[in-house]
Amino acid sequence: AQSVTQPDIHITVSEGASLELRCNYSYGATPYLFWYVQSPGQGLQLLLKYFSGDTLVQGIKGFEAEFKRSQSSFNLRKPSVHWSDAAEYFCAVGAMGSGNTGKLIFGQGTTLQVKP
Amino acid sequence: DAGVTQSPTHLIKTRGQQVTLRCSPKSGHDTVSWYQQALGQGPQFIFQYYEEEERQRGNFPDRFSGHQFPNYSSELNVNALLLGDSALYLCASSPLKRRARGDTQYFGPGTRLTVL
Repeated sequence: AQSVTQPDIHITVSEGASLELRCNYSYGATPYLFWYVQSPGQGLQLLLKYFSGDTLVQGIKGFEAEFKRSQSSFNLRKPSVHWSDAAEYFCAVGAMGSGNTGKLIFGQGTTLQVKP
Repeated sequence: DAGVTQSPTHLIKTRGQQVTLRCSPKSGHDTVSWYQQALGQGPQFIFQYYEEEERQRGNFPDRFSGHQFPNYSSELNVNALLLGDSALYLCASSPLKRRARGDTQYFGPGTRLTVL
């Protein structure tokens, strides 16, 4: 079955510190992978996506993610966190093929808190 | 360029009532997907519409129905509301021509539904 796991429900980092949010997926074919961010009371904003090619993808706001097929992972990283990065982060896999038309399967999310 | 818009922003209903939520896709997009996001959870796929037909459906009961209009806007209807239907309902749009590649879905701000 297709699924996404975000092992860390809540993470706290100090402003200026590096960040890594973990994401593991289960999918039978080549996945389309996404990271979205959600601020309180808001919709989802796309940070970055991986479809194919270079396994290290760059996104907005200084975020990057690395696709590792052998580990079924797509971890999100940022070298230096800003207070404005505090939000909820969702990893998602796009289900394609065999009747699927790109529906997204989301993880449960990771809440990022940034300490001053 | 307007993004995905949704109305209303907030809605309060009582058990057993019916509700209609509305979504206008991003300019140039013809595919609309609906997601339900319960508090503290990741979004769950409800269904997807393009060419005015439901193309794929998630694991939601028939109380959840939808419609897509010729201008690509969409409605989500929920009948016989239950307390458990309280959630943020997100609409996402994506373009037709790249659907086969699982193109990016852009999300609206959501409608917060509270069922009392």
